[in-house]
Amino acid sequence: EAQVTQNPRYLITVTGKKLTVTCSQNMNHEYMSWYRQDPGLGLRQIYYSMNVEVTDKGDVPEGYKVSRKEKRNFPLILESPSPNQTSLYFCASSFHRLNSPLHFGNGTRLTVT
Amino acid sequence: AQSVTQLDSQVPVFEEAPVELRCNYSSSVSVYLFWYVQYPNQGLQLLLKYLSGSTLVKGINGFEAEFNKSQTSFHLRKPSVHISDTAEYFCAVSEDSNYQLIWGAGTKLIIKP
Repeated sequence: EAQVTQNPRYLITVTGKKLTVTCSQNMNHEYMSWYRQDPGLGLRQIYYSMNVEVTDKGDVPEGYKVSRKEKRNFPLILESPSPNQTSLYFCASSFHRLNSPLHFGNGTRLTVT
Repeated sequence: AQSVTQLDSQVPVFEEAPVELRCNYSSSVSVYLFWYVQYPNQGLQLLLKYLSGSTLVKGINGFEAEFNKSQTSFHLRKPSVHISDTAEYFCAVSEDSNYQLIWGAGTKLIIKP
């Protein structure tokens, strides 16, 4: 089954404790992206990747890192999480950026206390 | 697209009644248009898309949308809603000239029994 898999679904952590949210897709997509979703703000892009070893900042990259060492994986890293990073995070992938639809994971709800 | 506006943050409607969710965008170039749906506790999934051709686009679950270039709108419609349509709906636009996907803030469709 074609899917984007994120882990974990829920995560509660404390300020400053490094964490990684994993994302994997099995569709051989070149493009992958991370979004955060906050009430009233819709989806905001954090980082995206056009292919292996190619990453770029989205609209809200501060406090986040990503890597794309393999085509299928695109982990999101919070080196020193802060409470303002409490949010719902989504990973998404597609074949082409401009006109191909995105396939989304089921989300990771992160709480930073 | 410089911005995407979903005019209503919430739309309450009775079951079996018709519904229209509004989406307007600002752009002076060719665009690709998408509607995504997010059911409770799930990721987003594609409802329908307009890439070119006929301005009336049919999607899944009985939804359709009409691209109006002169009014820069892409409103989503369904002639008769069901309880299962309860979800948040997002309009998204990408321009032919750049690699940005711009998202609306979302509209929550609330179905009243």
